[in-house]
Amino acid sequence: QVQLQQSGPGLVKPSQTLSLTCAISGDSVSSNSVAWNWIRQSPSRGLEWLGRTYYRSKWYNDYAESVKSRITINPDTSKNQFSLQLNSVTPEDTAVYYCARMTPVTTWGWFDPWGQGTLVTVSS
Amino acid sequence: EIVLTQSPGTLSLSPGERATLSCRASQSVSSSYLAWYQRKPGQAPRLLIYGASSRAAGIPDRFSGSGSGTDFTLTISRLEPEDFAVYYCQQYGSSPLTFGGGTKVEIK
Repeated sequence: QVQLQQSGPGLVKPSQTLSLTCAISGDSVSSNSVAWNWIRQSPSRGLEWLGRTYYRSKWYNDYAESVKSRITINPDTSKNQFSLQLNSVTPEDTAVYYCARMTPVTTWGWFDPWGQGTLVTVSS
Repeated sequence: EIVLTQSPGTLSLSPGERATLSCRASQSVSSSYLAWYQRKPGQAPRLLIYGASSRAAGIPDRFSGSGSGTDFTLTISRLEPEDFAVYYCQQYGSSPLTFGGGTKVEIK
């Protein structure tokens, strides 16, 4: 059974960097049949896919246009986890952040399972 | 971008009743690449349906999905107390992948 465990601070100051980690059990971050994603949910934006990392003989990343200039998702094979960094945050980035495994069908796919979610508030 | 509109926003029903949730797409969703999720307060979303009608592992058969093109439906045949939650649809047929705004199923 695959489980995802998120960790990271719940409060970030404006202009600083939001950093979250998602630890994987029951699967490998280096699996060549899935992708590892970050998704957020806020009242104003609903559910929003942010980006993913995946391994297909080498590492790839895809990012949403809305955050492309500010986001980095990195795998950590030594700890079997992946991370999210979102730079220059504003109060608009306040949301519940989820990590999730994607099973791709062609380019995209469905998400299962999801991490427990982390409420990140951007405030001074 | 495909916009997914879910209706109704809130569905008030009693345990044992049938729930019918709609997800309408602004453009055709290719190959019925549509998923449904359930989210309860304080919990992670749970995959219910993928490919418009395939139940995920461990999902009870009272949950069923149907539809194609631009109109999709999630049906809960008889509501159990644990089914009162928020439900979301998601399309993965084209970029960017998108989610609906959700339907809350509440106890009447």
